[in-house]
Amino acid sequence: NAGVTQTPKFRVLKTGQSMTLLCAQDMNHEYMYWYRQDPGMGLRLIHYSVGEGTTAKGEVPDGYNVSRLKKQNFLLGLESAAPSQTSVYFCASSWGGRASGEQFFGPGTRLTVL
Amino acid sequence: AQSVTQLGSHVSVSEGALVLLRCNYSSSVPPYLFWYVQYPNQGLQLLLKYTSAATLVKGINGFEAEFKKSETSFHLTKPSAHMSDAAEYFCAVSDRGGGFKTIFGAGTRLFVKA
Repeated sequence: NAGVTQTPKFRVLKTGQSMTLLCAQDMNHEYMYWYRQDPGMGLRLIHYSVGEGTTAKGEVPDGYNVSRLKKQNFLLGLESAAPSQTSVYFCASSWGGRASGEQFFGPGTRLTVL
Repeated sequence: AQSVTQLGSHVSVSEGALVLLRCNYSSSVPPYLFWYVQYPNQGLQLLLKYTSAATLVKGINGFEAEFKKSETSFHLTKPSAHMSDAAEYFCAVSDRGGGFKTIFGAGTRLFVKA
């Protein structure tokens, strides 16, 4: 049982480049989330999904797109990277429904945009 | 609307001393409350959670937290700090919708001095 995994762990991009971050979970969770973590700002929700084929915007969605074609995977895309997107990105998942909402986190992806 | 305030972005204690990390919340519905811990270069992991059963909640690694509705607080304590407790701690509040409305605090970094 791997839990929540993220690929890649590190990435350096140049301004304007694109990339996709992959998140996978093997717990059959309904809900999945993408956060970014910046110093002094805690976690900010980028996008989330409450089920396969559904996505919704979070607190800071601009410049990002997501897809959830399979229940176990949640992809985060940056179409044209900007230095302001330098951050640590965390994926998380939870049971959903009327469960307590405990979230399970991946190890993170450290992204630097030059 | 829900919100979380963690008092103190940094807390420093001596090894063996009491650890007290403060969290106040606001919620329009009975909340679920969580404390997560983040060790360097890792994702967040759950320390403990309050889901309306006992108001004193015990978690892993000797931590506990008490839900006080009258004070809208959920402070985290540990009687005796260990060096291994040095990490960042996040308080979070969720409504009862399975987690997708979870709000995280800005985090408190705990330093433990030998």
